[in-house]
Amino acid sequence: GAVVSQHPSWVICKSGTSVKIECRSLDFQATTMFWYRQFPKQSLMLMATSNEGSKATYEQGVEKDKFLINHASLTLSTLTVTSAHPEDSSFYICSARSQQATGGYEQYFGPGTRLTVT
Amino acid sequence: AQKITQTQPGMFVQEKEAVTLDCTYDTSDPSYGLFWYKQPSSGEMIFLIYQGSYDQQNATEGRYSLNFQKARKSANLVISASQLGDSAMYFCAMREYNQGGKLIFGQGTELSVKP
Repeated sequence: GAVVSQHPSWVICKSGTSVKIECRSLDFQATTMFWYRQFPKQSLMLMATSNEGSKATYEQGVEKDKFLINHASLTLSTLTVTSAHPEDSSFYICSARSQQATGGYEQYFGPGTRLTVT
Repeated sequence: AQKITQTQPGMFVQEKEAVTLDCTYDTSDPSYGLFWYKQPSSGEMIFLIYQGSYDQQNATEGRYSLNFQKARKSANLVISASQLGDSAMYFCAMREYNQGGKLIFGQGTELSVKP
């Protein structure tokens, strides 16, 4: 099956610093990538949808200046949490959709990145 | 309004028995897909089963089957012959085809399998 990687798998940073999370599709081209965040014992909340070469579309209530998303190539999307604060501590998961997707279930999840802001 | 609703925060099942996890959805899009994912404590999202809105038959994948009742807008997951390794969070999700392909998730159900 298709593989999506995320780096780093976990990160601890100090309040006020920025953190970049990478999401890569390893063996397929992803025209669309999705970023989710998940708090403990809660559901996945969609933050934004990014398409290669265009600006990300953010869900209502998500601060686009705080969560910068760049989908520079068909295999890489990055999420940068700027000026991180403790309330940004969460599990961030990316998902990539195959360029050949005709529907169905051609959508693959990364293993997630656990961010802790101290 | 909630698009995907899972009303069972937690469920217990005896090993080797079957269990049904409930999921209801709300959409006006005639073309949509319904998914079930398993999330163990490691956090990875494991795809289990998919049902398209136009599929005539209920989807099945090994021990997993999806009880799709379109008129009732429900898509319950049935796990047969539960195993200890089935203990995890289970999420129902929907993708509406006029919404750019994004998946919207339900609240999740935590399943615990007892030996």
